[in-house]
Amino acid sequence: EAGVAQSPRYKIIEKRQSVAFWCNPISGHATLYWYQQILGQGPKLLIQFQNNGVVDDSQLPKDRFSAERLKGVDSTLKIQPAKLEDSAVYLCASSPRTATNTGELFFGEGSRLTVL
Amino acid sequence: GQQVMQIPQYQHVQEGEDFTTYCNSSTTLSNIQWYKQRPGGHPVFLIQLVKSGEVKKQKRLTFQFGEAKKNSSLHITATQTTDVGTYFCAGSGTYKYIFGTGTRLKVLA
Repeated sequence: EAGVAQSPRYKIIEKRQSVAFWCNPISGHATLYWYQQILGQGPKLLIQFQNNGVVDDSQLPKDRFSAERLKGVDSTLKIQPAKLEDSAVYLCASSPRTATNTGELFFGEGSRLTVL
Repeated sequence: GQQVMQIPQYQHVQEGEDFTTYCNSSTTLSNIQWYKQRPGGHPVFLIQLVKSGEVKKQKRLTFQFGEAKKNSSLHITATQTTDVGTYFCAGSGTYKYIFGTGTRLKVLA
C-alpha cells in the first residue's frame, strides 16, 4: 500500500514570497490533516478535513495560510506571503476513519520550508 | 484550549537502562495515541489507548492511560540504540489530536 505522498520535500523562499505544498493521502482515507512542526517542537494542527469539508481550522493563520481538498482526495496548503516564523516542516497525515473516530494517523515525509 | 505537556524534554540513558516519558493533558481525553519520530523522519504510530486505567505492552514498551484519562506514560525497558528518537503523545478530546511537546531520547552505547 502506497503511503502519504507530499511534495516538494524541500523549499527555500524569501519572506513575502508565496509557496504551495501538495499532499496525496492513502487511497480511501477520509480524514486529512495538515500539521506544522517547528524544529524541536511537537506537530501543531493547522487544518483537518473530512472528505472535502473542513472539520477544524481554528489554528490556521487565515490571513496568510489557505488549504483546500478538492474532490476529497488531494490537498494543497498555500502560504502567501511567507514570514520568517513560517520556517518549519509541514506534515500531511491521513486516517481511514471519520473525524470523530480517527484511529491511527499515517504521516507523509513532510515538506521542509525555509524562509530567508 | 487543550494543552498537552510531556516530561522530561530530553533524556540521555546508557544502553540497557530503562526510560519513561510522561504526558499530561489540561482536559479529559477520549483517547490518547503515542508516536515515535526518528531524527529527520516523520511521526510513526505506536499505539492507541482508550479505556481509563488501560495498560498495553509491545515487547519492551509499556503504555498506560491514567484513571482520570488526563495523563499517560510510556516506559521502555532495557533501552537499545534503535530506541533513539522523539516520543510524542497525542491526545484527543473530541475529534482532533493535539500533540504533546515530545521527549527526545538518546541512548548511549
